Amino acid sequence: DQQVKQNSPSLSVQEGRISILNCDYTNSMFDYFLWYKKYPAEGPTFLISISSIKDKNEDGRFTVFLNKSAKHLSLHIVPSQPGDSAVYFCAASPYRAPTGGTSYGKLTFGQGTILTVHP
Amino acid sequence: DAGVTQSPTHLIKTRGQQVTLRCSPKSGHDTVSWYQQALGQGPQFIFQYYEEEERQRGNFPDRFSGHQFPNYSSELNVNALLLGDSALYLCASSPRDLHFISYEQYFGPGTRLTVT
Repeated sequence: DQQVKQNSPSLSVQEGRISILNCDYTNSMFDYFLWYKKYPAEGPTFLISISSIKDKNEDGRFTVFLNKSAKHLSLHIVPSQPGDSAVYFCAASPYRAPTGGTSYGKLTFGQGTILTVHP
Repeated sequence: DAGVTQSPTHLIKTRGQQVTLRCSPKSGHDTVSWYQQALGQGPQFIFQYYEEEERQRGNFPDRFSGHQFPNYSSELNVNALLLGDSALYLCASSPRDLHFISYEQYFGPGTRLTVT
């Protein structure tokens, strides 16, 4: 049961252009969404997040868009740089655990998208 | 300020053996989560600890157990290893505030476990 899906295994873009990575989810309990970047031999690094009360969050070259009705989020990187080449994971979390207790991100991850930015 | 650290970096075990992986959270963080990442997949949540208790658990068998110490560091134990347990095991830490707001998690570099 894949609750978070990244349907594109890979994406290749030219340096300076826009990279758009997509993610779909099925669980209506998800309220908080995050993007992570992962280089080989390193753990995932947090990039940007968005809560369900917003539809857009921007941080420098990175913007995350959330469409709750479509259960879809996307990460835009503008302009793309060769150093952005990595695996990108989207992740989702309920704001609070279903039992009503505290929840600190039982994160559910997508399968990842390999982004390659060519010079 | 040290980030999340994990040990060992790599480990090779035989089927049926037991293994213990260790994690020290980022300074100021009191919540530790463990994830398993199989090749070509995203990380899968195993369980989460804070206040030295397991608070949430993913869809993993009882062979996977853990512990959190008073200094917030944590261990992941896996008994009766199977070939399918071969994966990268990631530890992540996060802080909490009094309003129980969810924070982004900070990951360590992982422990690569190979079961032969």
